[in-house]
Amino acid sequence: QKEVEQDPGPLSVPEGAIVSLNCTYSNSAFQYFMWYRQYSRKGPELLMYTYSSGNKEDGRFTAQVDKSSKYISLFIRDSQPSDSATYLCAMSVNQGGKLIFGQGTELSVKP
Amino acid sequence: SAVISQKPSRDICQRGTSLTIQCQVDSQVTMMFWYRQQPGQSLTLIATANQGSEATYESGFVIDKFPISRPNLTFSTLTVSNMSPEDSSIYLCSVAGIGFSYGYTFGSGTRLTVV
Repeated sequence: QKEVEQDPGPLSVPEGAIVSLNCTYSNSAFQYFMWYRQYSRKGPELLMYTYSSGNKEDGRFTAQVDKSSKYISLFIRDSQPSDSATYLCAMSVNQGGKLIFGQGTELSVKP
Repeated sequence: SAVISQKPSRDICQRGTSLTIQCQVDSQVTMMFWYRQQPGQSLTLIATANQGSEATYESGFVIDKFPISRPNLTFSTLTVSNMSPEDSSIYLCSVAGIGFSYGYTFGSGTRLTVV
């Protein structure tokens, strides 16, 4: 079993839809949770960074962490074609420790 | 957040040769990492580059194949040695800064094709 599981998709939605992306994990020691966006032929770009459980909002993006369920989510409101990319969840035990990545979910937002 | 310059951005190499990838950061960072992303796959950590000492390698990766240097807090190199077609991947440098308030930043990657 992988430490971090993420549905690879692909996921296709119409413009304006609410997108929900999810990851589950098995290591209860993870405390730092991140979501990255990766466009084709580019490096991953940090979208959201959260510590422990709770919600964090930044514009159209909301990250949720439920440590009791070992489950994290990223919601994208009013999705745009420019949101089309691969979204990777990542987590670590310690600040500055190695990141463990999910497989990535390929998202396509159709105009 | 830190700005990373990674070179080369891409290369096509002959099997049996070696390629050195450079990662330069515009500010001092505590942690530097090297990742591999194989086609259609997620990122796998190769090693943590330690300043002034030997890198810490993950299971499945060895120093003879992937020697790493980190002479200071802003620069690191990864060498892919004695390459085979199976080494064709994207190699990415990542950093975590002092305080880690901005998470981890990635370079744009080096797309390596071994023929």
